[in-house]
Amino acid sequence: GAGVSQSPSNKVTEKGKDVELRCDPISGHTALYWYRQRLGQGLEFLIYFQGNSAPDKSGLPSDRFSAERTGESVSTLTIQRTQQEDSAVYLCASSLVSGGYNEQFFGPGTRLTVL
Amino acid sequence: QQPVQSPQAVILREGEDAVINCSSSKALYSVHWYRQKHGEAPVFLMILLKGGEQKGHEKISASFNEKKQQSSLYLTASQLSYSGTYFCGTERHYGGSQGNLIFGKGTKLSVKP
Repeated sequence: GAGVSQSPSNKVTEKGKDVELRCDPISGHTALYWYRQRLGQGLEFLIYFQGNSAPDKSGLPSDRFSAERTGESVSTLTIQRTQQEDSAVYLCASSLVSGGYNEQFFGPGTRLTVL
Repeated sequence: QQPVQSPQAVILREGEDAVINCSSSKALYSVHWYRQKHGEAPVFLMILLKGGEQKGHEKISASFNEKKQQSSLYLTASQLSYSGTYFCGTERHYGGSQGNLIFGKGTKLSVKP
């Protein structure tokens, strides 16, 4: 498959538990982005990786959120001690390089429900 | 820093035209437009760069007024398939450490038969 893939597609967890969300970008794409989308809302930027540069973490809402990326491939978004307000669809996107003329390709998202 | 989109929602009949606006209080390098259908991921429509370059859909046009930090998306002779939520994403500096997009809250477009 040539698109961005995310797993799991759905995750239901209990308040206080940790979750890991995975994103596989398009091969060769150096830029990777994570967004959060609450029901009926817009795309909230979380974090952005570009090649070997330090990630832009300016959108992470709290220190319970963290993300890693292995080289220019898989990325994992981790939410520790989940809260009900973390319930949302988490979208990952990748682009050939960051910014400018390079469109972002989005994955199908992971729907997180915190009970 | 989040761009402001207007209108928030619009309802059209097939064949009618619509304009969706996106404005920022900061100078912009580029504006990106995406459409998201219900339950699906956003899909790329258009990129407009400072200086006039564009890349995108053949059937959708857009403008970028750099001085006013505004972009408009023009949907002409709308089709049922145009229904969805349209997001603009703005980029203040080219790539590098600040190459992420900040998205507006979206404009919900509904096209009726």
